[in-house]
Amino acid sequence: GQQVMQIPQYQHVQEGEDFTTYCNSSTTLSNIQWYKQRPGGHPVFLIQLVKSGEVKKQKRLTFQFGEAKKNSSLHITATQTTDVGTYFCAGSGGSNYKLTFGKGTLLTVNP
Amino acid sequence: EAGVVQSPRYKIIEKKQPVAFWCNPISGHNTLYWYLQNLGQGPELLIRYENEEAVDDSQLPKDRFSAERLKGVDSTLKIQPAELGDSAVYLCASSEWTGNEQYFGPGTRLTVT
Repeated sequence: GQQVMQIPQYQHVQEGEDFTTYCNSSTTLSNIQWYKQRPGGHPVFLIQLVKSGEVKKQKRLTFQFGEAKKNSSLHITATQTTDVGTYFCAGSGGSNYKLTFGKGTLLTVNP
Repeated sequence: EAGVVQSPRYKIIEKKQPVAFWCNPISGHNTLYWYLQNLGQGPELLIRYENEEAVDDSQLPKDRFSAERLKGVDSTLKIQPAELGDSAVYLCASSEWTGNEQYFGPGTRLTVT
């Protein structure tokens, strides 16, 4: 079945530093979604990417979908303490629309 | 607009006991999902409903888990009997249509002792 892998598993940064998490799928995806889960909270939708090579920005967050639609990345510029949480990518491929989540990257930010 | 509502928020039961979780999705959302999330892991889909039809239940352990979505709105997920390994957070999510962004509820944290 479809597998979605994320690296790194953990990332600790100083406030103001940049952060990137990478997502790789074993199969070609039709789309990829990114979610953020704060400690003790539930996943919250950030963005969906559909097109090959697509790049989307949300303030300090930049999301990319690879040309082959098998990988994606999330980059945060100048992290803030409010960025703390686990970032999940979730890929969907094939006709059943099932979303497969990666294990997530836990980001901690030292003020 | 109210978000996805789940109850209870926490549940502690002894193994072999039954347990049920309830979910009320966002009004007008066609698709409802039940996920299981273990500590340090991403959500894993248990079952997906489109209206009242279960269209993907391939990951639902049907020997002990059951679910229903009567009238295509609220949904319940039941475990009978519970096992120690069922301890996890059970998340309900809904989306306007399958493939759209999903809105998650706060989850039910189940502890089986």
